[in-house]
Amino acid sequence: DAGVTQSPTHLIKTRGQQVTLRCSPKSGHDTVSWYQQALGQGPQFIFQYYEEEERQRGNFPDRFSGHQFPNYSSELNVNALLLGDSALYLCASSRTFFSYEQYFGPGTRLTVT
Amino acid sequence: GDSVTQMEGPVTLSEEAFLTINCTYTATGYPSLFWYVQYPGEGLQLLLKATKADDKGSNKGFEATYRKETTSFHLEKGSVQVSDSAVYFCALSGPIAGNNRKLIWGLGTSLAVNP
Repeated sequence: DAGVTQSPTHLIKTRGQQVTLRCSPKSGHDTVSWYQQALGQGPQFIFQYYEEEERQRGNFPDRFSGHQFPNYSSELNVNALLLGDSALYLCASSRTFFSYEQYFGPGTRLTVT
Repeated sequence: GDSVTQMEGPVTLSEEAFLTINCTYTATGYPSLFWYVQYPGEGLQLLLKATKADDKGSNKGFEATYRKETTSFHLEKGSVQVSDSAVYFCALSGPIAGNNRKLIWGLGTSLAVNP
């Protein structure tokens, strides 16, 4: 049973560019959440998707957007990259929207130069 | 807003020592509380949880009790092993009866266990 998978593993981008990160949830899960984890910090909630809609959003600017597909996989898009966007981006899935247990992927390390 | 405060690390212990990592929270109502662990080179894993006051979560020898009166959820283990070396995160989300599952995290506490 595959767990949560994320791609790519690492990414280097230049300021001002755009990036797309991808996530496939654990089998049987239909809800996906995205988190940003800066070095030495705890994760910060970006947003959560369920039934292809954004259900909750954290304190992130509109440059951060997402999408969920009918197969429950998800994308995180970040436009106009800033140096401060350099972080580990974590995807977590849960069995349903109301489930409190979240399963995390290994993350995508984004470096903005 | 809701927040989680956990003790700063790094914590360094000898094998078989007793472990306590303090965690306190600020939240309205009765949040759900969690401890996650991040082993070197691996993703975050749920270690244990508690969803109402006085609940005790336990797993792999770790325990934490939901204390509403002190707004705390301290992590304990009676005898740590080298394999417990990891970063431990305390987190909270909305009450189990609601639909707020956004996790709010502490900064993490790094634990190193020496043989």
